[in-house]
Amino acid sequence: EVQLVESGGGLVKPGGSLRLSCTASGFTFSTYGMHWVRQAPGKGLEWVSSIIPSSTFIYYADSVKGRFTISRDNTKNSLFLQMSSLRADDTAVYYCARVRERGFAELDSWGQGTLVTVSS
Amino acid sequence: EIVLTQSPGTLSLSPGERATLSCRASQSVSNNYLAWYQQRPGQAPRLLIFGASSRATGVPDRFSGSGSGTDFTLSISRLEPEDFAVYYCEQYATAPFTFGPGTKVDIK
Repeated sequence: EVQLVESGGGLVKPGGSLRLSCTASGFTFSTYGMHWVRQAPGKGLEWVSSIIPSSTFIYYADSVKGRFTISRDNTKNSLFLQMSSLRADDTAVYYCARVRERGFAELDSWGQGTLVTVSS
Repeated sequence: EIVLTQSPGTLSLSPGERATLSCRASQSVSNNYLAWYQQRPGQAPRLLIFGASSRATGVPDRFSGSGSGTDFTLSISRLEPEDFAVYYCEQYATAPFTFGPGTKVDIK
């Protein structure tokens, strides 16, 4: 069974940093593209960042470019999101999600999310 | 950036009725790389449709997707109680990938 488990969320002050992790199991992590998607409280979905299996190609939403860094460790089946210069509008549930096998960027498996709250 | 618009914002229907949801893109979505997701309260999104019209694994055949270019549709032929949820379209043809604002299907 495919499982994605996010961790690392919490309360952080504006301007602070946080590192999210996503631990994968039940599939060969090293062969799948991975994404981060976030959802502010009561709002819709917002794509944040994506990374291909080899980490060669990485993409970011304009809203986080220069502040967030996506990375992965295929030896530990883990995906990361390093967030810095956090702002109140970064408050959201952050989901990691897997690209469908043989797909392009459609997301067929999602974690349950980790809540990041940016507040003083 | 491709902007997606979904209509209606809310759709109030009864179980057994047909639902038709629309997603319009600000420019053509290449290769019809358009997906639909369902999100129930308190849950993560679930992939329903990819490539505009292909059902994801395990998705019931009452869900169908159609469209191309800039206009896409998700249809639910007969609403079941578990189908009352929020539905998002997403274009994944061009980064930054973008989601529509969602359509809420609620019980009339």
